[in-house]
Amino acid sequence: DTAVSQTPKYLVTQMGNDKSIKCEQNLGHDTMYWYKQDSKKFLKIMFSYNNKELIINETVPNRFSPKSPDKAHLNLHINSLELGDSAVYFCASSYQLAGGRGEQFFGPGTRLTVL
Amino acid sequence: DQQVKQNSPSLSVQEGRISILNCDYTNSMFDYFLWYKKYPAEGPTFLISISSIKDKNEDGRFTVFLNKSAKHLSLHIVPSQPGDSAVYFCAACSGAGSYQLTFGKGTKLSVIP
Repeated sequence: DTAVSQTPKYLVTQMGNDKSIKCEQNLGHDTMYWYKQDSKKFLKIMFSYNNKELIINETVPNRFSPKSPDKAHLNLHINSLELGDSAVYFCASSYQLAGGRGEQFFGPGTRLTVL
Repeated sequence: DQQVKQNSPSLSVQEGRISILNCDYTNSMFDYFLWYKKYPAEGPTFLISISSIKDKNEDGRFTVFLNKSAKHLSLHIVPSQPGDSAVYFCAACSGAGSYQLTFGKGTKLSVIP
C-alpha cells in the first residue's frame, strides 16, 4: 500500500499552461508539505498544511497555489508555467507531534518539464 | 545562503567497510537533525534522527554523531552494503512545533561489491 502518492509521475507541458499535481496520503497524518527539488538538487519547502490550514508558505510565486480539500490530500496548482518551474516536486506528510518532531514521509515525486 | 551543507557530492566505499557522511550547519537555532536516504526515481525516506541534547544515536548499522560546538554531524554506516548505495540528505529544523526542514544538497554514496 502506497503511503504518500502523487500523480502524475511525469508532466511535460508548454510555457504558459496551467497544471495541477495531486497528492494523497493514507497514513492518517495531519500535516502535509510540498517541496521543490531544482536542478541544483536542493530540496526546498514550498508549503505546509496542518489540518487543512496553511502553516508554512515560503517565498514562492503566487502562480503556485496549494489546495487541501481534506487532511489526506494536498494538491498543487501552477498557473502560467515558466521554464524555471521545471523541477521535481515532492509531496510529504507527517504527524504534528508534541514538539513537532514527526518524521516526514515523502511521495515518489513528480518530474515537471516546461518546454 | 546554505544553512545545511554537505560538502562531499559523492563518496565511494568498499562493501563491508565504514561509510562516513558529513554535514555542517550554520544556524545555531537548529536543534533537531535528520538523515534521509533517496534512491533514483523515489522520494526520500527517513533514516535516523538526533536531538541536540544528545551527541549520538544508533539504529542498527546506522549511527549519527552530533558535535554541537563544531556545528557538525556525521552518519556512520557499518558495515556498508551495496543496497546502501543512494543519495543521503542531511536535514535540520529548529524550535518546538517546527515542521520546516532545511535540507543539504545530498551526498551520493556508492558501495562497491
